[in-house]
Amino acid sequence: DIQMTQSPASLSASLGETVTIECRASEDIYSNLAWYQQKPGNSPQLLIYDANSLADGVPSRFSGSGSGTQYSLKINSLQSEDVASYFCQQYNNYPYTFGAGTKLELK
Amino acid sequence: EVQLQQSGAELGKPGTSVKLSCKVSGYNIRNTYMHWVNQRPGKGLEWIGRIDPANGNTIYAEKFKSKATLTADTSSNTAYMQLSQLKSDDTAIYFCAMGGRGFAYWGQGTLVTVSS
Repeated sequence: DIQMTQSPASLSASLGETVTIECRASEDIYSNLAWYQQKPGNSPQLLIYDANSLADGVPSRFSGSGSGTQYSLKINSLQSEDVASYFCQQYNNYPYTFGAGTKLELK
Repeated sequence: EVQLQQSGAELGKPGTSVKLSCKVSGYNIRNTYMHWVNQRPGKGLEWIGRIDPANGNTIYAEKFKSKATLTADTSSNTAYMQLSQLKSDDTAIYFCAMGGRGFAYWGQGTLVTVSS
């Protein structure tokens, strides 16, 4: 199975700040990577697919990058509604696997 | 508009089974794979498996091969997951999801609580 190592596990940032979350795959996943946002009590919401493509309706302050085994999610100009948990997921191979998540809070 | 409507919360006794449903509207499930994901209390997401409703083919994560059984009824556009031999650590929210590259659509989740 492909292991997804996500960091940091938690993150505290101020409004307007730029934050970055990293995900490392245990092998090359050829950009078959998605990022999700999950708020308490809600289902996950797709933010980014194919490592750098913005999902429909997602604000442009979210962006994804990376290739091979290293990927990142960047949130520019942090807003209060961005407080949530974020997960990466590889869909290059079965079983699909998720990172352990990053909990983003406001400082 | 695509919507995935999951069945209500379940309370199951250890050793019993439960069957969850996920009814899709706005999209023909024959044209996609239906995935199931769980989330234990306060934990992350775990992929359970997927079914191709067009032919019933399934793929499971190894740890769920004897736990989960995925089926689909294309006539009602509904996917199902049966969880068998329930144990306390099966207590979790179970989501159905679909999407070609990443899961763009998710159900609201079904809470399964295992308790005697």
